[in-house]
Amino acid sequence: DGGITQSPKYLFRKEGQNVTLSCEQNLNHDAMYWYRQDPGQGLRLIYYSQIVNDFQKGDIAEGYSVSREKKESFPLTVTSAQKNPTAFYLCASMGQGSQPQHFGDGTRLSIL
Amino acid sequence: AQSVAQPEDQVNVAEGNPLTVKCTYSVSGNPYLFWYVQYPNRGLQFLLKYITGDNLVKGSYGFEAEFNKSQTSFHLKKPSALVSDSALYFCAATTTSGTYKYIFGTGTRLKVLA
Repeated sequence: DGGITQSPKYLFRKEGQNVTLSCEQNLNHDAMYWYRQDPGQGLRLIYYSQIVNDFQKGDIAEGYSVSREKKESFPLTVTSAQKNPTAFYLCASMGQGSQPQHFGDGTRLSIL
Repeated sequence: AQSVAQPEDQVNVAEGNPLTVKCTYSVSGNPYLFWYVQYPNRGLQFLLKYITGDNLVKGSYGFEAEFNKSQTSFHLKKPSALVSDSALYFCAATTTSGTYKYIFGTGTRLKVLA
């Protein structure tokens, strides 16, 4: 079945540590996205990429970094500069502009 | 600024009754509108979309939505609610400008009471 796989499902970060969240899709979609979800705030866009080797900052990119070396993969690194990383992180992909985004099942990040 | 508003944090409805979850939007150009549902600790699942054409859009699980251009609204509806419909619902918008960026509402929690 085609879809988006996020791993791990749960992740814990120690202070000063960088952590990387994985997102892989086999839908052959060009565009990929990372969102942060906090209670009562909906989804906020962190980074997005429309093609391989290119990505743009979203609304809350500070403290995060991404890469897009392959069409299928769009990993997100939460750096130590992100002082409040505890949240539910969602990855999505999309084909053409009028199509719906497809979401993975998320990674819940907490601080130890 | 472009935005999507879901004015109700929570909607309660009795099982078997009709339900409505409200959404209004403010975007430049012609909007593409979407509804998604989220169950606990899961990603968002697509329910339906409006791109163009009929103002009444039918989607998954018996849901439908009505696009109203003059009121800039896209309310989600279902004629008869099920307990299993209880979840978090998100409205989203983008435009034909091709930026590929979605604008999401803050979500509405639907509780269907048995």
